[in-house]
Amino acid sequence: QVQLVQSGVEVKKPGASVKVSCKATGYSFTNYGISWVRQAPGQGLEWMGWISAYNHNTEYIQKFQDRVTMTTETSTTTAYMELRSLTFDDTAMYYCARGELAVGDNFDYWGQGTLVTVSS
Amino acid sequence: DIQMTQSPSSLSASVGDRVTITCRASQTIRGSLNWYQQKPGEAPKLLISTTSTLQSGAPSRFSGSGSDTEFTLTISSLQPEDFATYYCQQSYKTPRTFGQGTRLEIK
Repeated sequence: QVQLVQSGVEVKKPGASVKVSCKATGYSFTNYGISWVRQAPGQGLEWMGWISAYNHNTEYIQKFQDRVTMTTETSTTTAYMELRSLTFDDTAMYYCARGELAVGDNFDYWGQGTLVTVSS
Repeated sequence: DIQMTQSPSSLSASVGDRVTITCRASQTIRGSLNWYQQKPGEAPKLLISTTSTLQSGAPSRFSGSGSDTEFTLTISSLQPEDFATYYCQQSYKTPRTFGQGTRLEIK
C-alpha cells in the first residue's frame, strides 16, 4: 500500500535551516510528484510547492521562492524539503503529499506530518 | 492566485443532520475542485476529487457537486466520525490553493 513516512520533530533557532524527509513506498516513485503543504498551529493548509520525482522540475510559491529547496532521491524513493532562514512564523506542521500538477489532479496520499518548532 | 472561500467557517450540527458546506473560487476552476477531511492530530485525507468523485473507502453519505466557481460538499446524515474540519482545494492552476476550512462540531 502507498505510504509516505516523514522524519521526526524538529526544533530550530531563528535563522537556522531545517530539512524534512518524506520516504515513499508502495508505488512507482517517479510516476508521481510530491507537494509540500504546511499548517501553522490552529490554522489552515498552505501549499508550499511541488517537485516532479521524474525530472526534478520544481514549482514554489512566491513567498518561499528564495528560501526553500525541494529535492528527490530516486535511489531511496525519498523527497526532501529544506527551508532556510527560519523565523517564528515558520513554526508549523509540514506535510508531504503525493500528486501531480496536472489540471484536475489531487493529493491522494499524505505523510503523517513533521512538526517544526522555531524557538529561541 | 485563485482565492478559495468556504462558508460557513464553522458549523454545529447533530448526528443525523444533513449538512452542506460551500466553496467559492475567485475565478472559474471548471471542475477542478477537491475536498479533504482533517481530524485533530491527523493529516488531511482526500475525500472527493474533481468535484464529485468519491474516494475509495469514503462513505456514500458524502457527495460533491458544482462547477466553475461554486461547489458544495454535502453530508446526507451526519455520523459521529464526521466531526472534523473540511477543506476545499483547487487544482486548476498553480499555485494550488485551499479554502480556509470549515470546522464541523457536535451540537
